[in-house]
Amino acid sequence: GQNIDQPTEMTATEGAIVQINCTYQTSGFNGLFWYQQHAGEAPTFLSYNVLDGLEEKGRFSSFLSRSKGYSYLLLKELQMKDSASYLCAVRASGYALNFGKGTSLLVTP
Amino acid sequence: GAGVSQSPRYKVAKRGQDVALRCDPISGHVSLFWYQQALGQGPEFLTYFQNEAQLDKSGLPSDRFFAERPEGSVSTLKIQRTQQEDSAVYLCASSLVGFMGDTEAFFGQGTRLTVV
Repeated sequence: GQNIDQPTEMTATEGAIVQINCTYQTSGFNGLFWYQQHAGEAPTFLSYNVLDGLEEKGRFSSFLSRSKGYSYLLLKELQMKDSASYLCAVRASGYALNFGKGTSLLVTP
Repeated sequence: GAGVSQSPRYKVAKRGQDVALRCDPISGHVSLFWYQQALGQGPEFLTYFQNEAQLDKSGLPSDRFFAERPEGSVSTLKIQRTQQEDSAVYLCASSLVGFMGDTEAFFGQGTRLTVV
């Protein structure tokens, strides 16, 4: 089976930095994805990691350690519009992405 | 089209009614996925198409759920004899190529199904 864990909720202040962690136990591994989803909207792609290390893309960075089954999404210079759900997903041995339950991030003034 | 389009956006069905949900993927995308997302949860995989071939339907919760993509573009997810536990948002996603090298899937806004 697939087991993907991430915190349910997080709160952070505008302008700050927040790290959202994701741990996984899957049968096979072919990439880890982070998606952002605002309420009532489609998930939108943020990042993809398949090798260990840090991938940086503007204010967002994503880290992967395959040996530890661990990833994090780092959001810098938080803005109010960053309030959303952040979904960690692993592509195991097939084509489909297996999603965690999502982390609801609230950015406060 | 510019993105993945799903219709209807909202559907209210009486228990026992059949429903059909439509997905128009991005033109030229080979792969198409259906996911079910319950309130406050992450999307759960339902089924996968590569062109017109349904390669994986392991996530369909029962034989009341049926999906097709007859010409390799538009897809329809059909739910027969709907039940209250079918209430969820049904998301469609497409990606360009048909193997595990895809690094990005594009999601539609989903169809919110409410069974009363």
